[in-house]
This record gives sequence, C-alpha cells and structure tokens, in this order.
Amino acid sequence: GAVVSQHPSRVICKSGTSVKIECRSLDFQATTMFWYRQFPKQSLMLMATSNEGSKATYEQGVEKDKFLINHASLTLSTLTVTSAHPEDSSFYICSARDLAGVLSYNEQFFGPGTRLTVL
Amino acid sequence: AQSVSQHNHHVILSEAASLELGCNYSYGGTVNLFWYVQYPGQHLQLLLKYFSGDPLVKGIKGFEAEFIKSKFSFNLRKPSVQWSDTAEYFCAVNALNNDMRFGAGTRLTVKP
Repeated sequence: GAVVSQHPSRVICKSGTSVKIECRSLDFQATTMFWYRQFPKQSLMLMATSNEGSKATYEQGVEKDKFLINHASLTLSTLTVTSAHPEDSSFYICSARDLAGVLSYNEQFFGPGTRLTVL
Repeated sequence: AQSVSQHNHHVILSEAASLELGCNYSYGGTVNLFWYVQYPGQHLQLLLKYFSGDPLVKGIKGFEAEFIKSKFSFNLRKPSVQWSDTAEYFCAVNALNNDMRFGAGTRLTVKP
C-alpha cells in the first residue's frame, strides 16, 4: 500500500512551453499533496501544499502563476510549469498524506520524481 | 517554523565501519521525525520514523535512530555499513499537521 506515482518520469521541453506533471496516490486517498523541487546534490525544497478542492498554499519565493497546482480529486494533483525556462530545470517530487487514519497519521509518501529539462 | 540541520555534508567510510549521522531540529512542540534514503538515480525511501513511544527506533536495512528530546536530536546509526549503503540520507521533521522540512542531506560513500 501507500504508493504514489508520477508521470512523466522525464520530460524535455523547449523554453517558453508549459509542462504538466501528474501525481497520483494509487491505493489511498490523499487529502493533502505536497510538491518539492530538488536541485542536483541539494535537499528537497517544499514548493507548495495542496488540499483537495482548495487553492494551493505556496512557499515564500515560489511563483504561483508560474507553478500552477491543481488538486481536483483525492487521488490526483498536477503541477504545471508555465512558460518554462532553463532555470526551471530540476527534479520535481510530489508526496501525499492521508489523514483519514488508514495509513500512518501525518506520514508523507513520496513519488519517484520527474526530471524536467528545459532547453 | 521548524528547521532541520544535518551536520555532516559528506561522510566517507570503509565497509564494516560504524555510522552515525547527526540531525538536529528546532521546534518546541510535538514533532514527527523521519530518515529517508535516496540511492543514486532513485527516489526517496523511508528508512525509519518516530512518532511516539520508544525513542530508539529501528528501521529497515539495519538502521536505527535515537530521539533525544532534550537535545532536539534524531541521529541515525548503523553498526556496520556496506558498500550498498552508499546514498544520500535526509533527515526530516514535521510538526503535527504542518509541512515536512528536510535537512540538507548527508552523502555517504562506503568504500569496498
């Protein structure tokens, strides 16, 4: 149990295009999902927290108009990087938390990550 | 907000050596504590976690960690490392219903 998937695993795009990354909880309902980015040889930095059916909460310094987050269902959240630029190239990781009590309370389950390369 | 510091940026050990990676956090309330491992090219995997109870927590692959509340620490240990333990190790903390914060990570290199 507690599997989180991400799609795609890798994406290469041209500068100026938009890229959508999907995060799915496969066997539980994720009341909250988190998006992180990880630069090479660095730690995970939280970008935003999204609760199903409400607007995402962005961390300071993260542009909400650039990184659009949608959490329309209890099993799916999407991150859209709009008008991507080379500096957006990074490893994007999502995680999901189930507060319904089926899984460990307050534990986050991580997806495998998506490597975005913007040319 | 809580923060996490990992003291060692890069640790190099020989096989069979003992390992201890430091992790300290700053938060005055109740916290949940985690250690994750990230093998080269792979995603994060949970090694162990502490929510409550016995402060000595045993995880997978022979790892353990001890929560010392008075020191705000949650150090990771393994008595005898293997080459396959070469990876990046992240300590993470979250207060109840708050966001998870990660330490900067410690790269462990185990020489065969």
